[in-house]
Amino acid sequence: EAGVVQSPRYKIIEKKQPVAFWCNPISGHNTLYWYLQNLGQGPELLIRYENEEAVDDSQLPKDRFSAERLKGVDSTLKIQPAELGDSAVYLCASSTGRASDTQYFGPGTRLTVL
Amino acid sequence: DQQVKQNSPSLSVQEGRISILNCDYTNSMFDYFLWYKKYPAEGPTFLISISSIKDKNEDGRFTVFLNKSAKHLSLHIVPSQPGDSAVYFCAAGDRRGNEKLTFGTGTRLTIIP
Repeated sequence: EAGVVQSPRYKIIEKKQPVAFWCNPISGHNTLYWYLQNLGQGPELLIRYENEEAVDDSQLPKDRFSAERLKGVDSTLKIQPAELGDSAVYLCASSTGRASDTQYFGPGTRLTVL
Repeated sequence: DQQVKQNSPSLSVQEGRISILNCDYTNSMFDYFLWYKKYPAEGPTFLISISSIKDKNEDGRFTVFLNKSAKHLSLHIVPSQPGDSAVYFCAAGDRRGNEKLTFGTGTRLTIIP
């Protein structure tokens, strides 16, 4: 079974540029998560989707961050414009959505903003 | 406010001995707990979990202990192997609430051959 797929794996941009990350969850997983992981910290939830619906986006900085999951499968996270402090690893995870279910993580996208 | 704390940033253990990783939490609403393992340039990988109705869960070399009164959990790895060298994250969630997982800051475990 294929795991969570993310692309790109690495991205270097200059500040004020836009950037987008893509995630394809495990087949059959209805719930998709985007996390931010800063150096030396644990992952922090940005947004959670159940199918197409964003059910928890309270931690997403909506002035510059946006996300979509149009067909309830893959998802895109966008930052526009990027700031120096956005340099981090962006992780995508998926689960079947049952409350007791485990979240499975992708390899992440490491973003460097210069 | 750090609701899940891993106070040891790093731990070194001799191969074959027991590794004990600790985690403390402050939110009494948390009712399930997980440990994830992370290698460099990879995403976290699920290792083992425990529900608040239990105080121990075992899976092969890995055992998680939960002390609800102390709001403390620990992960025991025995015997430790070189492939266990990784960063270990403790995470906690509230299944009756928003199901959001809160992660600790991680402990880097190094197994010395």
